[in-house]
Amino acid sequence: EPEVTQTPSHQVTQMGQEVILRCVPISNHLYFYWYRQILGQKVEFLVSFYNNEISEKSEIFDDQFSVERPDGSNFTLKIRSTKLEDSAMYFCASTVHVKSTDTQYFGPGTRLTVL
Amino acid sequence: SQKIEQNSEALNIQEGKTATLTCNYTNYSPAYLQWYRQDPGRGPVFLLLIRENEKEKRKERLKVTFDTTLKQSLFHITASQPADSATYLCALDRAGGSYIPTFGRGTSLIVHP
Repeated sequence: EPEVTQTPSHQVTQMGQEVILRCVPISNHLYFYWYRQILGQKVEFLVSFYNNEISEKSEIFDDQFSVERPDGSNFTLKIRSTKLEDSAMYFCASTVHVKSTDTQYFGPGTRLTVL
Repeated sequence: SQKIEQNSEALNIQEGKTATLTCNYTNYSPAYLQWYRQDPGRGPVFLLLIRENEKEKRKERLKVTFDTTLKQSLFHITASQPADSATYLCALDRAGGSYIPTFGRGTSLIVHP
C-alpha cells in the first residue's frame, strides 16, 4: 500500500539554525499538509499546499516557516531560525482531494529537537 | 472558540471487553467528525469518518456514534485486543468550512490480556 515517507526520522539542531524537513507524499495525491505535535499535546495544523502554493495556514505558521515542492515528488518544510519551542514531531500528510470524505494519510513524522 | 475534549485519563480495560471513548465539542457544529489511531512516535492513522446527518457508522469491530444535540461522539471497539492499545484521536473539520481536521488531544486505551 502506498505511504507517505518523511526524512530524517530525528533531527537535532542548535537554536537559531535552519532546518529542512522532507516529505514524499503519495504519488497521485494533490494536496499536502504539515502538522506538528509537541510532546503530550494535540496534533496541530500548520499549512496546506496545492498547485504549488499555500492554500491555508494557521497562526502557528509565521514568517520563520516556509514550504516548497522543489520537484515532482518532495514536499519540504523549512524553519529558518529554530527556537526551543519548535521542538516537536512534525507530520506530513497528503490527500487526493480536499473534500470532507478524503482520508488524510500521515507520514511517520520527524522528531525535531532544538537545543 | 472551538473546543474539542477527550478524556485525558487512560482507559484500562480487559481483553474481550468493549472499549468506549468519548469526544465532546463546544462552540461549533461540525459537518463531519473523524477518529484516528496514533501509536507512540508515529503519525495518526485514519479509522472512521461520520457526517453530521449520520447517527452511527460501523467498520469491523469499530462503531462510531455522532449526537449533534449532545455535541458528542462515542467510539466503541468491541472484543478488544491488546493490539488495540494506542491513543485514539477525535478530529472535527475546522470552523469556516475548511476540510482540514482539528484534533483533540486523544485518549490512551490500554487493553490488558
